[in-house]
Amino acid sequence: DGGITQSPKYLFRKEGQNVTLSCEQNLNHDAMYWYRQDPGQGLRLIYYSQIVNDFQKGDIAEGYSVSREKKESFPLTVTSAQKNPTAFYLCASRPWGGENTEAFFGQGTRLTVV
Amino acid sequence: SQQGEEDPQALSIQEGENATMNCSYKTSINNLQWYRQNSGRGLVHLILIRSNEREKHSGRLRVTLDTSKKSSSLLITASRAADTASYFCATGPRNDYKLSFGAGTTVTVRA
Repeated sequence: DGGITQSPKYLFRKEGQNVTLSCEQNLNHDAMYWYRQDPGQGLRLIYYSQIVNDFQKGDIAEGYSVSREKKESFPLTVTSAQKNPTAFYLCASRPWGGENTEAFFGQGTRLTVV
Repeated sequence: SQQGEEDPQALSIQEGENATMNCSYKTSINNLQWYRQNSGRGLVHLILIRSNEREKHSGRLRVTLDTSKKSSSLLITASRAADTASYFCATGPRNDYKLSFGAGTTVTVRA
């Protein structure tokens, strides 16, 4: 089955620790995205990548880092510099074909920092 | 800051009624997209309207786009309990893959 997979579904970490969220897609999509969603809020863009080995900061990149070494993978690291990392994180991908394409989302990772 | 902003923030309607929500955005766009999110899940794409289109239909969904006012509306006709969800608009600037979402409208359909 084609799709976009985020893991783990739930993640607990101690304050001050870095943590990496996984996002894998087998849709052969070029563009991939990371969003953060707080309770009752919309999605805020953290980072996005249009091609392998290239990515751009979104609106709230501070305290986060990403890599895009493979087309199918776009891991997100939440660093200790992120002041309030507890949130729901969503990964998405889009096919090449110009900007008029829809995004496909994973089921999200809920990160709780204790 | 978010590119799109939805209005109202929340909407409660009776089953069978229509639900209308609006989205305003700030910069020139290639297209505007609407997505749906069930509680605690990922988003699902509903419909995409290009900047040169004014209206689009998909099943019980009707989307309009007014680029002169930088606004769009999503109409869900004959709502069902299963339409209960949050609805988001998304836009991206021209010549860029950036995709930004608004704060969303939470729709509750009462049986």
